[in-house]
Amino acid sequence: EAEVAQSPRYKITEKSQAVAFWCDPISGHATLYWYRQILGQGPELLVQFQDESVVDDSQLPKDRFSAERLKGVDSTLKIQPAELGDSAMYLCASSLGRGLLGNGELFFGEGSRLTVL
Amino acid sequence: GENVEQHPSTLSVQEGDSAVIKCTYSDSASNYFPWYKQELGKRPQLIIDIRSNVGEKKDQRIAVTLNKTAKHFSLHITETQPEDSAVYFCAASIGTARQLTFGSGTQLTVLP
Repeated sequence: EAEVAQSPRYKITEKSQAVAFWCDPISGHATLYWYRQILGQGPELLVQFQDESVVDDSQLPKDRFSAERLKGVDSTLKIQPAELGDSAMYLCASSLGRGLLGNGELFFGEGSRLTVL
Repeated sequence: GENVEQHPSTLSVQEGDSAVIKCTYSDSASNYFPWYKQELGKRPQLIIDIRSNVGEKKDQRIAVTLNKTAKHFSLHITETQPEDSAVYFCAASIGTARQLTFGSGTQLTVLP
């Protein structure tokens, strides 16, 4: 069964350092999402891509976060510089994104757990 | 924007009993309501979803009900089993963008 791949699974870094997370969606999925999940809370949308274009990045802290999906396939989320409050699980999800009734079911990756010391 | 509230935050039931988790949403334009199950250290997985043109949907031991007037929806799990223990998240989205707003989660523990 096809799955969303993410790496690294775990990342420990010191504050002010740069970190990057990678996501490879299910093949053929046009829509890709990055969510942040703080421990004990539900996921919060950071950015949504449709193919290579950003659909919504209104919740992305653009002073330190950036995301790209240059060829409309895999995606990278970067944080620079990392702050203590960035410690969280970063989840990538994808969906077909071409249905008339919406983008269809979201499939999540296993996530990248970030700890900022 | 949309706001989704979920209750309770923790729920313990005896094996075989039923479990109910409730969510309310703020935006009457929301039309898609999925439920995700997240086991410890694992990815969230869709277990059931409902659209606003349907009042109830069942899948074996799991059912979801939607009350559009009151803007709330609920997850019902019958004949609970230990493997049902997990964190359950409700979510809501508006339109076709599928930008899900999640509730805060319910930790369900099924006691043997």
